Amino acid sequence: GQQVMQIPQYQHVQEGEDFTTYCNSSTTLSNIQWYKQRPGGHPVFLIQLVKSGEVKKQKRLTFQFGEAKKNSSLHITATQTTDVGTYFCAGPRGGNQFYFGTGTSLTVIP
Amino acid sequence: SAVISQKPSRDICQRGTSLTIQCQVDSQVTMMFWYRQQPGQSLTLIATANQGSEATYESGFVIDKFPISRPNLTFSTLTVSNMSPEDSSIYLCSVAGGFTEAFFGQGTRLTVV
Repeated sequence: GQQVMQIPQYQHVQEGEDFTTYCNSSTTLSNIQWYKQRPGGHPVFLIQLVKSGEVKKQKRLTFQFGEAKKNSSLHITATQTTDVGTYFCAGPRGGNQFYFGTGTSLTVIP
Repeated sequence: SAVISQKPSRDICQRGTSLTIQCQVDSQVTMMFWYRQQPGQSLTLIATANQGSEATYESGFVIDKFPISRPNLTFSTLTVSNMSPEDSSIYLCSVAGGFTEAFFGQGTRLTVV
């Protein structure tokens, strides 16, 4: 079946450093979504990418969808302690369902 | 958007007992989804609950262990039956259908002792 892998699994950064998580799908995706889950919280939608090669920005967050629509990345510039959490990518699997990636847990050291 | 109220938010249960988790959505939705998230892991879909029909379970999950009810378009319950410590997880309900993205309840943090 479809698999959505993310690397790294864990990342510790000093506050102010940049952070990137990569998402790779075994199959071509019609779109990809990103979610953030704060410690003790539930996943919250961040963004959806649809077009091949699409790049979207949300303040310090930059999201990219690969040309082949099988991979994606999330880059955070100058991390802050509020960025702490686990970031998941998710691809559609039909029937309004999603395959969630394995997640990258970000720790920001003040 | 959709607002989902999920309860209980957490519980500590004795092995062999059952716990029913409830999710109430602020709008009518065709499908509701139940996920399990084991500590430090990703979300694993347990089942899809449609109103008026039996839930569809993913591989590795069975109705006897995780019975689901979906009496109307705004409400669903998931029961974790005959619990063991391996069932200790976060259980999340979610809706999509009609929305681009998934919305989640606050989660139920279950500890089985």
